[in-house]
Amino acid sequence: GQQVMQIPQYQHVQEGEDFTTYCNSSTTLSNIQWYKQRPGGHPVFLIQLVKSGEVKKQKRLTFQFGEAKKNSSLHITATQTTDVGTYFCAGNTGKLIFGQGTTLQVKP
Amino acid sequence: EAQVTQNPRYLITVTGKKLTVTCSQNMNHEYMSWYRQDPGLGLRQIYYSMNVEATDKGDVPEGYKVSRKEKRNFPLILESPSPNQTSLYFCASSLSGGQGQYEQYFGPGTRLTVT
Repeated sequence: GQQVMQIPQYQHVQEGEDFTTYCNSSTTLSNIQWYKQRPGGHPVFLIQLVKSGEVKKQKRLTFQFGEAKKNSSLHITATQTTDVGTYFCAGNTGKLIFGQGTTLQVKP
Repeated sequence: EAQVTQNPRYLITVTGKKLTVTCSQNMNHEYMSWYRQDPGLGLRQIYYSMNVEATDKGDVPEGYKVSRKEKRNFPLILESPSPNQTSLYFCASSLSGGQGQYEQYFGPGTRLTVT
């Protein structure tokens, strides 16, 4: 079936280091969304990418959508303790399919 | 304040005892859905509703029922809960236009334990 794979599952970084999570789909996506879930919280929408090759930035966060619209990445520059949480991508194949999530821990 | 509410937030129950988790949104959204979240599996869709009286199965619908009699409410029903339904459940809503076209607003979650 249609799948959206996300790696890595976990990432521990020292505060100030960079972090990247990757999403790969088995099929072409209409768009991709990214969500953040703080520990004990619920997923909160971050951004949506629609166009092939699109790059969007939100302060220290950079989101990219691949040229083939099958992969995406989220890069955080100079992580802070407030970045802790699980980051999910969700690909739209006609239905929204969530990746397994990447849990980020930041050591101060 | 625009929000999605769920009740209860925590529930411990026994196998076979019917239960309902309520979900309500105040944003006049047409689309609503239920997800379960399990470690290592991400968010898996249980059921979704494109509008009133229009519901459909997601990826893991077995053992669950839903109804959409009013636009704002989308309850999740477990007629005979089993231990493999122990999970964290999220309700979500968004504007219409098909799944995945608009951001989803999630409720706070319901942590269900079935013993």
